[in-house]
Amino acid sequence: GAGVSQSPSNKVTEKGKDVELRCDPISGHTALYWYRQSLGQGLEFLIYFQGNSAPDKSGLPSDRFSAERTGGSVSTLTIQRTQQEDSAVYLCASSLGQGETQYFGPGTRLLVL
Amino acid sequence: DQQVKQNSPSLSVQEGRISILNCDYTNSMFDYFLWYKKYPAEGPTFLISISSIKDKNEDGRFTVFLNKSAKHLSLHIVPSQPGDSAVYFCAASVTASGTYKYIFGTGTRLKVLA
Repeated sequence: GAGVSQSPSNKVTEKGKDVELRCDPISGHTALYWYRQSLGQGLEFLIYFQGNSAPDKSGLPSDRFSAERTGGSVSTLTIQRTQQEDSAVYLCASSLGQGETQYFGPGTRLLVL
Repeated sequence: DQQVKQNSPSLSVQEGRISILNCDYTNSMFDYFLWYKKYPAEGPTFLISISSIKDKNEDGRFTVFLNKSAKHLSLHIVPSQPGDSAVYFCAASVTASGTYKYIFGTGTRLKVLA
């Protein structure tokens, strides 16, 4: 499809396990963003990529969170030693360039038991 | 500290009437504002935006108003339709050190009653 895709759509994991979330941006979009939405909360900015580099990592909640982007396309968000408070919907968005309109994927719903 | 606030978690409006969704912000450095609409189990979709140098932007049934002195923006939907029922997020962007950051509000759930 032509939109942003994310996988898996749902993930249930046990506390302490690592998880990897994937985002496929719209082809040609150089900017990629990760957000999360916890229950009853707004969208919380996590990290932003311009190409393969992440100039702003200030939103990552802890050092258990990391993200990478390769080839200016696919990005993965990794959460190590998951905690119950990591349960949320993780949303990825891409845009043509910095400051352009962001197009969102459907999100990955993560539940940490 | 919530820099973008949507103080009404929900709103119900009769079909055909006007829906007004409100958003307040605290950071005077925000230079661009956007509204996104989100249906259940889907990602947010862009609806309408406004630059900080303008006070109004209109697109069909949707109009966004910006009051910089009050640090307030609102989204008007006229006439409201049942298909408009969704969660609406207000977002503001700021450029810092050459990077863009978007800050979202907590959303307002709009229900348009047929």
